Amino acid sequence: EAEVAQSPRYKITEKSQAVAFWCDPISGHATLYWYRQILGQGPELLVQFQDESVVDDSQLPKDRFSAERLKGVDSTLKIQPAELGDSAMYLCASSQGQFNSPLHFGNGTRLTVT
Amino acid sequence: DAKTTQPPSMDCAEGRAANLPCNHSTISGNEYVYWYRQIHSQGPQYIIHGLKNNETNEMASLIITEDRKSSTLILPHATLRDTAVYYCIVRVANGQNFVFGPGTRLSVLP
Repeated sequence: EAEVAQSPRYKITEKSQAVAFWCDPISGHATLYWYRQILGQGPELLVQFQDESVVDDSQLPKDRFSAERLKGVDSTLKIQPAELGDSAMYLCASSQGQFNSPLHFGNGTRLTVT
Repeated sequence: DAKTTQPPSMDCAEGRAANLPCNHSTISGNEYVYWYRQIHSQGPQYIIHGLKNNETNEMASLIITEDRKSSTLILPHATLRDTAVYYCIVRVANGQNFVFGPGTRLSVLP
């Protein structure tokens, strides 16, 4: 079964440094999501793409976070500068974007900011 | 905010059926019910979804009440590997993103 690929699996960085996460969705999936999950809570949406366009970034802290999906396939999420409160799991998901198609998640990047 | 209410935790004996309830009393006619689960340190895994009819697949069954205000996810023969957090989500087809609540932590006990 096709999977959403994410890297790195784990990342430790010092506060004020820059960090980037990469996601490769399931082939053919037009819609891509980045979620953040704090320990003990459910995932929360950061940004949603439809092909290369941002559909929803209302919850993305734009002063430090940026996301791109230049060719409408893989995507990068960046944080600069990282803060202690950014420590979380960053999850990427994709869907066919049609009708009632479900989301398929990758296994995430666990970020620790020290 | 999540549109669903789930118990924070449940236990189930190995080999028995696990019945996980979800209340979604404000569900609209065009909103689907989705279930996901998340095993520790992994991403959420899609289980099943439905609109108003009961659904079954190789993983689970979804029972939606006639008024659609609640549903139950059934794992017919729970195993230790079914220990996870289970999320119930309602969403309009082709609509807004999936909004996750805190879910139900299911512990399958030997």
